[in-house]
Amino acid sequence: GAVVSQHPSRVICKSGTSVKIECRSLDFQATTMFWYRQFPKKSLMLMATSNEGSKATYEQGVEKDKFLINHASLTLSTLTVTSAHPEDSSFYICSFWPGLAGGGTDTQYFGPGTRLTVL
Amino acid sequence: KQEVTQIPAALSVPEGENLVLNCSFTDSAIYNLQWFRQDPGKGLTSLLLIQSSQREQTSGRLNASLDKSSGRSTLYIAASQPGDSATYLCAVTGGSEKLVFGKGTKLTVNP
Repeated sequence: GAVVSQHPSRVICKSGTSVKIECRSLDFQATTMFWYRQFPKKSLMLMATSNEGSKATYEQGVEKDKFLINHASLTLSTLTVTSAHPEDSSFYICSFWPGLAGGGTDTQYFGPGTRLTVL
Repeated sequence: KQEVTQIPAALSVPEGENLVLNCSFTDSAIYNLQWFRQDPGKGLTSLLLIQSSQREQTSGRLNASLDKSSGRSTLYIAASQPGDSATYLCAVTGGSEKLVFGKGTKLTVNP
């Protein structure tokens, strides 16, 4: 099956610092990818949708200047949490959607997630 | 706004038991519904995807049904095993590729 990696898997940082999370698809290309956030005992919440080469579309309530998304290529996207605060502590998950072209399916392929803890 | 609810929030069963997980959604105008598995501190693995025109999908010991008009789906797990222990998430899409997730059901299968 399709493989998506995320790095780092776990990060602890001080309040006010910036953290970059990398999401990479290892064996397929996708123009569309998503970033989700999951708080303990809560649903995964979509933060933003990005298409390669375009600006990301952020969901309501998600600050675009705080969560910077760079969809650099068809296999790589990064999420930078700028000036992180304790309330940003969460589990961040990315996913790639190859789309329906070429016999693809509706399935998104998820990364293993990154646990961010801001002290 | 679409909302997805999963019941129960947690379930503990002995090995070998058949079980049913429930998912309901408020807006029946969905494009498809998916069931995912999430292991602790890990990402999601897609288990089954049901298109809105379908009634059920099967994969091995898993069977998912969809009643779009009533806004309900069930995931049936036959002959449960300790390796099935995980959180099971239900998610729907409404015409775009955006997924709306439930909070999940945490399943524990005891040896």
